[in-house]
Amino acid sequence: DTGVSQDPRHKITKRGQNVTFRCDPISEHNRLYWYRQTLGQGPEFLTYFQNEAQLEKSRLLSDRFSAERPKGSFSTLEIQRTEQGDSAMYLCASSPEIPGYTFGSGTRLTVV
Amino acid sequence: SQQGEEDPQALSIQEGENATMNCSYKTSINNLQWYRQNSGRGLVHLILIRSNEREKHSGRLRVTLDTSKKSSSLLITASRAADTASYFCATEGTNTDKLIFGTGTRLQVFP
Repeated sequence: DTGVSQDPRHKITKRGQNVTFRCDPISEHNRLYWYRQTLGQGPEFLTYFQNEAQLEKSRLLSDRFSAERPKGSFSTLEIQRTEQGDSAMYLCASSPEIPGYTFGSGTRLTVV
Repeated sequence: SQQGEEDPQALSIQEGENATMNCSYKTSINNLQWYRQNSGRGLVHLILIRSNEREKHSGRLRVTLDTSKKSSSLLITASRAADTASYFCATEGTNTDKLIFGTGTRLQVFP
């Protein structure tokens, strides 16, 4: 499978717990993006990497959120001290230098 | 915050009819893209139109772009029940590499 992979597909966690999601982009894509989508809304930009450098972060990304992309390959998104408002679909996408995004199937987070 | 606004929010049609969705945006763009999302799934890229293009076709899809009005439309001709999904426009601005998505149009095609 040469698409974008996200793991896990679903995550249910108790409020206050930490969660970590993983994204494996298409190998030759140097750009990687994280988006968040709530029910009935379009995806909202969270952050993006070019290779291992995190180039932009949204104001939506509070200090409880952190993203990494060590070695410019896979990326992780960690949410600390989860809140019910963090419940959403977290989408990862990758892209080469020219426009053209490939999205993963997402990780659906439910905070109870 | 989301930049694009899409119209209508929801659209119901019969198979064989055409579906038109509109998107408006706020700032200068390099390109505008349309994506499709089936319920609970990831987004699938449909078509990209650059800021210097006015119209583009791909199979049953036709996209127009009017940069003077900061608007775009997506036309799906001869719709099928399998076209039922949410459709989002997304813009890539001139000073950024990220996509800003619209609010989406939910299309329902009845057999």
